[in-house]
Amino acid sequence: KAGVTQTPRYLIKTRGQQVTLSCSPISGHRSVSWYQQTPGQGLQFLFEYFSETQRNKGNFPGRFSGRQFSNSRSEMNVSTLELGDSALYLCATRGGRGHTEAFFGQGTRLTVV
Amino acid sequence: AQKVTQAQTEISVVEKEDVTLDCVYETRDTTYYLFWYKQPPSGELVFLIRRNSFDEQNEISGRYSWNFQKSTSSFNFTITASQVVDSAVYFCALSLPSGNTGKLIFGQGTTLQVKP
Repeated sequence: KAGVTQTPRYLIKTRGQQVTLSCSPISGHRSVSWYQQTPGQGLQFLFEYFSETQRNKGNFPGRFSGRQFSNSRSEMNVSTLELGDSALYLCATRGGRGHTEAFFGQGTRLTVV
Repeated sequence: AQKVTQAQTEISVVEKEDVTLDCVYETRDTTYYLFWYKQPPSGELVFLIRRNSFDEQNEISGRYSWNFQKSTSSFNFTITASQVVDSAVYFCALSLPSGNTGKLIFGQGTTLQVKP
């Protein structure tokens, strides 16, 4: 069974640009969550999608957005990049509606210069 | 407010020593879930254990054991006879069922270094 796949693994962007990250969940998983990991703030929840609907959103500015497709694949977009957006972005997927464990991808390392 | 605190930022031990990673959580909810994850240098978080608030039984899995105590709001993790491969960052996390979402609230993580 394939794990959670995130693409690309590494990305370098310039301030002011926008970026789109992709997450393909484990087959059958319909819940996809995104997290930002930085040395200063640690792991912070961005948003969660379930069956193409955003179910919960963290405390991030509107520059951070996401969506989920009918095949459960998810994308997150960050517009007008700032230096502080440099981070490891992790995607997590779950198979059930309850509080089953989340399975994480290896992340996308975004560097904003 | 919900919060998870891992007071130990970094721990260094010599191989075969036992080590305990502390986790203290805060929530007013009576139903909640606690998790431990391991993050090796490759980046992905690897699931280790899940506990719900109604199950205070301690658990042992090989060299790993977990001590859940609601009275002190703690969910500590012990590695017995540590090995170099245990070197990683370990995260404790809290999840609440309200809103039926899977949002995880993480502690700051504890970096464990096991030296040969």
